[in-house]
Amino acid sequence: KAGVTQTPRYLIKTRGQQVTLSCSPISGHRSVSWYQQTPGQGLQFLFEYFSETQRNKGNFPGRFSGRQFSNSRSEMNVSTLELGDSALYLCASSRGTAGTGELFFGEGSRLTVL
Amino acid sequence: DQQVKQNSPSLSVQEGRISILNCDYTNSMFDYFLWYKKYPAEGPTFLISISSIKDKNEDGRFTVFLNKSAKHLSLHIVPSQPGDSAVYFCAASSNAGGTSYGKLTFGQGTILTVHP
Repeated sequence: KAGVTQTPRYLIKTRGQQVTLSCSPISGHRSVSWYQQTPGQGLQFLFEYFSETQRNKGNFPGRFSGRQFSNSRSEMNVSTLELGDSALYLCASSRGTAGTGELFFGEGSRLTVL
Repeated sequence: DQQVKQNSPSLSVQEGRISILNCDYTNSMFDYFLWYKKYPAEGPTFLISISSIKDKNEDGRFTVFLNKSAKHLSLHIVPSQPGDSAVYFCAASSNAGGTSYGKLTFGQGTILTVHP
């Protein structure tokens, strides 16, 4: 069974640009969550999508957005990049229903903003 | 406001001994708790979880204990192996409304080093 796949794995952008990251969940999983990991803040929840609808949202500015497609694949977008957006962005998938608490994470997309 | 705290940034143990990683939480609405292990350049890997209706869950060498009155949980690894060396994250979720399954609140992590 293929795991969670994230692309690209590494990318470098400059301030003011925008970036789109992609996540393909485990087959059969309808929930996709996004997390930001930085050395100072640890793992922080960005948002969760379930059946193409944003179900939960963390405390991030509106520059961070996402969407989910009918095949459960998800993308997140960060506009007007700032230096502080440099981080590892992790995607996680799950069935998203009761009794399925554990999330399965991808390897992450490491974003560097110069 | 950090709702899940791992107060020990690092822990060092000898191979074969017990590793005990601790985690405290402040949000009484949390009803499901998980431990993840993370190696550098990889995503977190699920280890073990526990529902708030239990106080202990065991899976092989890994046991998680939950003390709801103290809002404290711990992960015991017995016996510890060098391959267990990684960063361990405690996480919690609140699923009372039935819509928060994808939202976890993580601790800052504890770096475990197991020496041969």
